[in-house]
Amino acid sequence: DTGVSQDPRHKITKRGQNVTFRCDPISEHNRLYWYRQTLGQGPEFLTYFQNEAQLEKSRLLSDRFSAERPKGSFSTLEIQRTEQGDSAMYLCASSFGGWPQHFGDGTRLSIL
Amino acid sequence: AQSVTQPDIHITVSEGASLELRCNYSYGATPYLFWYVQSPGQGLQLLLKYFSGDTLVQGIKGFEAEFKRSQSSFNLRKPSVHWSDAAEYFCAVGSAGGATNKLIFGTGTLLAVQP
Repeated sequence: DTGVSQDPRHKITKRGQNVTFRCDPISEHNRLYWYRQTLGQGPEFLTYFQNEAQLEKSRLLSDRFSAERPKGSFSTLEIQRTEQGDSAMYLCASSFGGWPQHFGDGTRLSIL
Repeated sequence: AQSVTQPDIHITVSEGASLELRCNYSYGATPYLFWYVQSPGQGLQLLLKYFSGDTLVQGIKGFEAEFKRSQSSFNLRKPSVHWSDAAEYFCAVGSAGGATNKLIFGTGTLLAVQP
């Protein structure tokens, strides 16, 4: 059990650029979640995959956001045309059934 | 709608003292309740969870929590705090609507430990 891995740990980009984050869940975990955490707040749900199927998206996930989980293994979260308000920590979690219990260390996004 | 309230934004305790972090939830049915801890720059680690049964649940690192339905509370406790417990603590309620089991988090309580 190597834990949930997220890459990169930090990303600094200029407003308007596109960014992509990667999450590698614990092996054989069929459920994968993305959360966003802003300063002073708890994590907020963004989207959820069961295997390769994206089953739910939060209203927080605007059209500029897209997530994929090809082959039901790793997942990517892409943000297009980044805005200042996208600055946050993006957390990935995985589980085998049940609830999201194993979180990665997150990707911190800073928009200049 | 489901929600979680953590009334204390910041708490300071002395090392060796007891600790209680408050959590109140709003949920229409029997809740699934969780406590997580987050160290600076890191992800969340699950401390304990309550699904059903005994209302006093034991977790890792010497933490426990008690579910009180009448008070809609799920407070986290530790009898003797260690300096390494300094971190941010999040309470969460599980929302099992639709096809998703997702967590709704409170805003967190930042714990500082004085020597």
